[in-house]
Amino acid sequence: EILLTQSPATLTLSPGERATLSCRASQTISTSLAWYQHKPDQPPRLLIFDASTRATGTPARFSGSGSGTDFTLTISNLEPEDFAIYYCQQRTQRPPITFGQGTRLEIK
Amino acid sequence: QVQLQQWGAGLLKPSETLSLTCAVYGGSLSGFYWSWIRQTPGKGLEWIGEINHRGRPSYNPSLESRVTISIDTSNNPFSLRVRSVTAADAGFYYCATHVPSSIGALGSWGQGTLVAVSS
Repeated sequence: EILLTQSPATLTLSPGERATLSCRASQTISTSLAWYQHKPDQPPRLLIFDASTRATGTPARFSGSGSGTDFTLTISNLEPEDFAIYYCQQRTQRPPITFGQGTRLEIK
Repeated sequence: QVQLQQWGAGLLKPSETLSLTCAVYGGSLSGFYWSWIRQTPGKGLEWIGEINHRGRPSYNPSLESRVTISIDTSNNPFSLRVRSVTAADAGFYYCATHVPSSIGALGSWGQGTLVAVSS
């Protein structure tokens, strides 16, 4: 099973600042990584797939990078609606598909 | 992209079977993988398993002994059953499928079902 480790667990920033979230895989996964935003009482929303491709409707302030074992989600110029929990997820080895444990992005 | 709508019982007693169904609108089941994911209290997202349009399932090993995912390709929906539930199975359950260009990217989700387990 491929484990995904996200850091930090919690990130506290102000609107307008830049957020950098990390996801590290226990084995190389090429670029087979996706990022999701999750808010209470809503299903998760796909933001980025294949490590750096924005999903339909994802604002340009969200960008993904990385390959192999180290990946980054960057949110430039934070908007109030960006404060949520973010998960990375891989799908190179099945079963299972695995998710990271999440990074909570909270308002300072 | 397709729309998913899910339904099923949200209150169970310990040892009962959780049963959820997910219908697909605006697309065909053919060529896609159809997944179930859950979020239990204090934990993040956990992939339960998936099934393809040919009816071949794949499960998370941690749940495999209690889970069945099935599909009705003629009438559209796919379903989840989790046997012998305990309090640890309480949480939000989602159906989902991937975007057409990447089977690893879950781009369409059901609205979620809150499952409670209580005697």
